[in-house]
Amino acid sequence: GENVEQHPSTLSVQEGDSAVIKCTYSDSASNYFPWYKQELGKGPQLIIDIRSNVGEKKDQRIAVTLNKTAKHFSLHITETQPEDSAVYFCAASMKGTGNQFYFGTGTSLTVIP
Amino acid sequence: DSGVTQTPKHLITATGQRVTLRCSPRSGDLSVYWYQQSLDQGLQFLIQYYNGEERAKGNILERFSAQQFPDLHSELNLSSLELGDSALYFCASSKLGTLYEQYFGPGTRLTVT
Repeated sequence: GENVEQHPSTLSVQEGDSAVIKCTYSDSASNYFPWYKQELGKGPQLIIDIRSNVGEKKDQRIAVTLNKTAKHFSLHITETQPEDSAVYFCAASMKGTGNQFYFGTGTSLTVIP
Repeated sequence: DSGVTQTPKHLITATGQRVTLRCSPRSGDLSVYWYQQSLDQGLQFLIQYYNGEERAKGNILERFSAQQFPDLHSELNLSSLELGDSALYFCASSKLGTLYEQYFGPGTRLTVT
């Protein structure tokens, strides 16, 4: 099956700086890559996603890039704010497998005021 | 609020017991997914139902089973519970036609003592 690796496991940044989280996947058939934000005591919240026919997608302060050749994708958060502090998960999925998600191990982001 | 509801929020039970977790998907969503989140295993896909039918199976133990009812709510049944089954259990749902985006509920925290 698919294997998704995520780095770093923890990340601390000063408020206003940028944060980058990277994921790699193993199965070239994967074609959908969502990112989730999980705050303490809550369920994962979809924040942005990208499909394999797109190289980059942006939504206000967050952006995701995808390199299909290298099989890696990244989450970029600019102008970080304390409320961005949470655990972020990447995932990979492919059509035809019931759309099950294979998740990375998570990155705990702390934004220092 | 994702629109996915899960009950109960917390569950404490003893080894060997059986419990049932309940999930109501977002209005209009036909697919329901169950995930287990533990510290050592991360977020793992268990099983998916689509309009009452099992669609995909992941790392679900034989002691665990699920079903989706005609009103589209789903139940996850966990039996012969072991200490290692202690985890957060999440339900997610997605719409027909947009099988990719999954929206997660707030989860059920199961503690087996």
